[in-house]
Amino acid sequence: GNSVTQMEGPVTLSEEAFLTINCTYTATGYPSLFWYVQYPGEGLQLLLKATKADDKGSNKGFEATYRKETTSFHLEKGSVQVSDSAVYFCALSEFGNEKLTFGTGTRLTIIP
Amino acid sequence: EAGVAQSPRYKIIEKRQSVAFWCNPISGHATLYWYQQILGQGPKLLIQFQNNGVVDDSQLPKDRFSAERLKGVDSTLKIQPAKLEDSAVYLCASSSSGETQYFGPGTRLLVL
Repeated sequence: GNSVTQMEGPVTLSEEAFLTINCTYTATGYPSLFWYVQYPGEGLQLLLKATKADDKGSNKGFEATYRKETTSFHLEKGSVQVSDSAVYFCALSEFGNEKLTFGTGTRLTIIP
Repeated sequence: EAGVAQSPRYKIIEKRQSVAFWCNPISGHATLYWYQQILGQGPKLLIQFQNNGVVDDSQLPKDRFSAERLKGVDSTLKIQPAKLEDSAVYLCASSSSGETQYFGPGTRLLVL
């Protein structure tokens, strides 16, 4: 079956540091890949997505590239801010099936 | 555009009691999902509706959980009787087509 493995947290960084959160997946076929973010007290929000190999999703300074050869979709940001503190979830859905399979989430805390 | 609405936001019950959650999706969204998010884990799909029909309920514990989506709009998720391990956040999401799911704020359930 499908699965998503995320870098374990929590992750604590100083403001303006470089961020990487690792995500690898196992899936049959060619899934679409997503990063969702959950800010304190709020629901999940789609951060970015990529639907085919070598696509790069980007939003709010975050980027992730769909790497089929390494089955990875790592999330990166060049300079994090305190407002980026949240829980980040990597997820996938199979082609033709909207069901999302999530990783366990990575809690990110940015300190001033 | 109004987002996905859920109520209540919090609920505390004794084990063996029953509880119901309500979800109002984004207007016009045909697909509605219920997820269970246990603390420290990623969301897990319980049931997916397309209009008022069930698409996937393979992970719904049908001996105690039930869900309906009358008229293809609002949905309710019920647990009867509740067990301690049902303590979780119950998330509702909706989508119109394609893959982007929009999540509500969730209902946090504590079973004592």
